[in-house]
Amino acid sequence: AQSVTQPDIHITVSEGASLELRCNYSYGATPYLFWYVQSPGQGLQLLLKYFSGDTLVQGIKGFEAEFKRSQSSFNLRKPSVHWSDAAEYFCAVVIKGGNEKLTFGTGTRLTIIP
Amino acid sequence: NAGVTQTPKFQVLKTGQSMTLQCAQDMNHNSMYWYRQDPGMGLRLIYYSASEGTTDKGEVPNGYNVSRLNKREFSLRLESAAPSQTSVYFCASEPRHQETQYFGPGTRLLVL
Repeated sequence: AQSVTQPDIHITVSEGASLELRCNYSYGATPYLFWYVQSPGQGLQLLLKYFSGDTLVQGIKGFEAEFKRSQSSFNLRKPSVHWSDAAEYFCAVVIKGGNEKLTFGTGTRLTIIP
Repeated sequence: NAGVTQTPKFQVLKTGQSMTLQCAQDMNHNSMYWYRQDPGMGLRLIYYSASEGTTDKGEVPNGYNVSRLNKREFSLRLESAAPSQTSVYFCASEPRHQETQYFGPGTRLLVL
């Protein structure tokens, strides 16, 4: 079965510092990859997605992610975080030709310190 | 354009009570989904509906039923609530062939 691993449960970074959130998926074939953000008490908002083509994708709020097939990874990055980026971040995958359902990682909670 | 709406926002139930969570979308999307979110477990799919008139089980369907009333509305029913169903429930919708889901704000349910 397909699965998504987010190895970091909680990350704390200083405002203005760079950020990288890790995501790995299992069960190769053709993955469609997503990052969602959830602010406290809110629903999930799509940050970016990768289906094919350029492996570096740009999203909203200054985020980007890079798909590396050889590492089965889709890490999320931001060069300089803002206090408003404090939230929970979910990586998700759809494996085309698999069960084709969106499978979520367990999430990474991001705390920003001044 | 309200997107995906869910009612109620919060609910407290006693064990054994029943309730229906409502979800509606105004984006003319074909597919709709119900997830539950529990700490440390991400979101898990309860039921989904690929189109009006069809529903299918997801990863954790036990204790739930769904109805796709029309293209806009997809409800989730708990017939006899249990404390294990304390969770945050999210509804999502997806346009045909776009592989991208749009989420509602969630319903927070506490079962005592």
